[in-house]
Amino acid sequence: DAKTTQPNSMESNEEEPVHLPCNHSTISGTDYIHWYRQLPSQGPEYVIHGLTSNVNNRMASLAIAEDRKSSTLILHRATLRDAAVYYCIRANSGNTPLVFGKGTRLSVIA
Amino acid sequence: DAGVIQSPRHEVTEMGQEVTLRCKPISGHNSLFWYRQTMMRGLELLIYFNNNVPIDDSGMPEDRFSAKMPNASFSTLKIQPSEPRDSAVYFCASSLWGGGSNEQFFGPGTRLTVL
Repeated sequence: DAKTTQPNSMESNEEEPVHLPCNHSTISGTDYIHWYRQLPSQGPEYVIHGLTSNVNNRMASLAIAEDRKSSTLILHRATLRDAAVYYCIRANSGNTPLVFGKGTRLSVIA
Repeated sequence: DAGVIQSPRHEVTEMGQEVTLRCKPISGHNSLFWYRQTMMRGLELLIYFNNNVPIDDSGMPEDRFSAKMPNASFSTLKIQPSEPRDSAVYFCASSLWGGGSNEQFFGPGTRLTVL
């Protein structure tokens, strides 16, 4: 049980921002929120993670709701290379393994 | 850094044959994970090791599946005997266990086809 809910698919135009939502309404106080993505024919790769505060890195930004029941992965300018399946994952700080759900398949249109 | 290395990248075998998949984690990482990915079931955790010790193998589908980690730089996943329903992409991942970040680094996967 992935314990997160994501839309099955989303579409974006190239060079436009993309907001990928994730619902994790039963999240516990010690659960981190992780985002991974899987490009075609590749293994998943880490994108970003956070606990309470919004986070930024070179790949994306993570906006976490104040009640932590939802979060949004933000790609500031989508490129064709961002077309992938994006997974939102809860992971306990007790170092439990990641449990992947179905994710959101992002299509980027040129 | 070469990343997580898996071999072979592709394996085609016949039902009943033994299959061994191999993984070399990133040097210095102390946790290793085996996943299986199919269209029907998505990405499933099979087993994971911490400091070479199996921690949870509840995801291993049947006794036909076994995994070992004889040292920090090598792990195997064996299927004996293999069946067509074992056809999938098998991923190995490693991480540095500690705190909540536990970013996992995945290998390129082994695509297994059992005829």
